[in-house]
Amino acid sequence: DGGITQSPKYLFRKEGQNVTLSCEQNLNHDAMYWYRQDPGQGLRLIYYSQIVNDFQKGDIAEGYSVSREKKESFPLTVTSAQKNPTAFYLCASRVGGDYEQYFGPGTRLTVT
Amino acid sequence: QQPVQSPQAVILREGEDAVINCSSSKALYSVHWYRQKHGEAPVFLMILLKGGEQKGHEKISASFNEKKQQSSLYLTASQLSYSGTYFCGTVTSGSARQLTFGSGTQLTVLP
Repeated sequence: DGGITQSPKYLFRKEGQNVTLSCEQNLNHDAMYWYRQDPGQGLRLIYYSQIVNDFQKGDIAEGYSVSREKKESFPLTVTSAQKNPTAFYLCASRVGGDYEQYFGPGTRLTVT
Repeated sequence: QQPVQSPQAVILREGEDAVINCSSSKALYSVHWYRQKHGEAPVFLMILLKGGEQKGHEKISASFNEKKQQSSLYLTASQLSYSGTYFCGTVTSGSARQLTFGSGTQLTVLP
């Protein structure tokens, strides 16, 4: 079955540690996105990539980094520079053009 | 700039109707609607494009007023499964298709 996978579902880290969140899709989609969601809030765009080896900052990129070495994969690293990293992180992909974004199940990151 | 959704929350009885609104201060290329259950990923409902084209589920109804940069989602004869938080996402540029989401409308359908 085609879809987007994010792992792990829950992640716990100590403050000051970098952590990488996985996002893989087998939908053959060109565009991929990372969003952050805080309790009771909407989704805010962190980074997005429209093609392999290219990505752009979203609205809240500070303290985060990404790579897009393969079409299927778009990992997000939450660095120690991110002041409030505890949040629900969602990855999405889109085939291109005027089509919807498909979301992965999300990773809930807790940093203490 | 984030689109504004209204109302923030609504409670319905099964079978009742509801309208959720989304308004932007910027000229829009398209509006996307998603529903999210607690702790889950958002699920796509509909896209409304400038020019009148719509893509989405047949049972979902929505409108897009290009002059006012407003969109409305119409939920008729609501079912318990309609409960969740509804988000609109707006696209201002046709090139990157970058979505900016509103803060959501929490819909609760009671039996």
